Order: sequence, then C-alpha cells, then structure tokens
Amino acid sequence: GDSVTQMEGPVTLSEEACLTINCTYTATGYPSLFWYVQYPGEGLQLLLKATKADDKGSNKGFEATYRKETTSFHLEKGSVQVSDSAVYFCALSGQGGKLIFGQGTELSVKP
Amino acid sequence: EAGVTQSPTHLIKTRGQQATLRCSPISGHTSVYWYQQALGLGLQFLLWYDEGEERNRGNFPPRFSGRQFPNYSSELNVNALELEDSALYLCASSFGQSNQPQHFGDGTRLSIL
Repeated sequence: GDSVTQMEGPVTLSEEACLTINCTYTATGYPSLFWYVQYPGEGLQLLLKATKADDKGSNKGFEATYRKETTSFHLEKGSVQVSDSAVYFCALSGQGGKLIFGQGTELSVKP
Repeated sequence: EAGVTQSPTHLIKTRGQQATLRCSPISGHTSVYWYQQALGLGLQFLLWYDEGEERNRGNFPPRFSGRQFPNYSSELNVNALELEDSALYLCASSFGQSNQPQHFGDGTRLSIL
C-alpha cells in the first residue's frame, strides 16, 4: 500500500542554518504531495504542496520539489528561524480521500 | 475567512462512556475528514464525509462513527470508550474530493480515565 517515510528527529539547528528534511514515498498512481507543520498545541497547517512530477511547492521560505524518479519530496529552507521550531509532516493523497502521513520530524531551532 | 473549527477543545471521559466531537468546515468546503493522532501511532485516517455521505473509513472498529449535516458540519461519535482512544482528534475540510489540500482544525484532545 501507499506509504510515506520521513527522516527521524529530533533535528536541532542553530538560527540561520540550512534545513533539509528528507521524505520518500511509495504510491500507486500519481498522488499529490504535501508538507504540513504542527506547532505545539495546535492542529496541522498546510505549508506547501505539489500536484505532479517536477512541481516545486514553496511558502514562507520553505521549498520542496516533487521528484518522481527518486520518489522524494524533501523539505528545504535556506535559513531557519527560532519560530520555525515545530513538527513537520510529509503526506500524500491516498485512495479514498485520505492523506497518508509520515511519522513527523521535530525541528528545534536554537538562537 | 474562518478556518476549520472543532469543539470541545478538551474532553475527559471514563471507560465505557460515549464521546461526541464536532467540526465546522471552512465555508464552501463540502468534504470533511477525521484523523486520530495518538502518541506513538502518528496520524491515522478515520473517516471521510462528502455531501452528507460517508465515502471512506479507515481501519477502526465500528464504535467509531459519525455523520455530516446538510450545512456540511460533522460529528464524530466514539462509543464504549477504551483507554487507547485517548488521542488528539483532528478534523479537516476540503473542496470536493481527492488531491485537494485538506485544511485542519486545532483538534479535540480526548482523554480517557
């Protein structure tokens, strides 16, 4: 079945460091791919999306490119801030309306 | 534009009781989804409603049920509560069907004592 695998956390970075969170997927068909972010005590916020191969999603300095050949959708940011500290979830649109999520990667950014 | 709203924020129940969780989607969204986020189990799909009909359900027992009302709001009912039902229950909404981004509420924290 469809699945998403993310790099394990926690990831701890200093402010202004570069961020990469790896995400790979297994899917039948051509799913849409998403990154969501969850701040403490809150629900999930859609960070960015890509609907087909080679699409690049971007928002708030974060980017991810839909790579069909490597079945990947890695999240990147050139310079992280303390306010980026959160849990990040990679997800794909599965059959029957559901989102299939990775296990989440906790990011902690230190000043 | 108001986002997805869920109520209550917290709910405390005891084993064997019944819980009702409520969700109001973003205006114009016709699909509502429910997910369970339990510690150590990640985010698991529970139910999908669209235009008042249940379209899909995840691998959960029948004591998890729900419905969608004509105004597209939704209820999740959990009967015969068990300790392992303790989790954050997240509701999401979207326009229509698959591949549309789902927008989430802040969840209901259900605690079973």
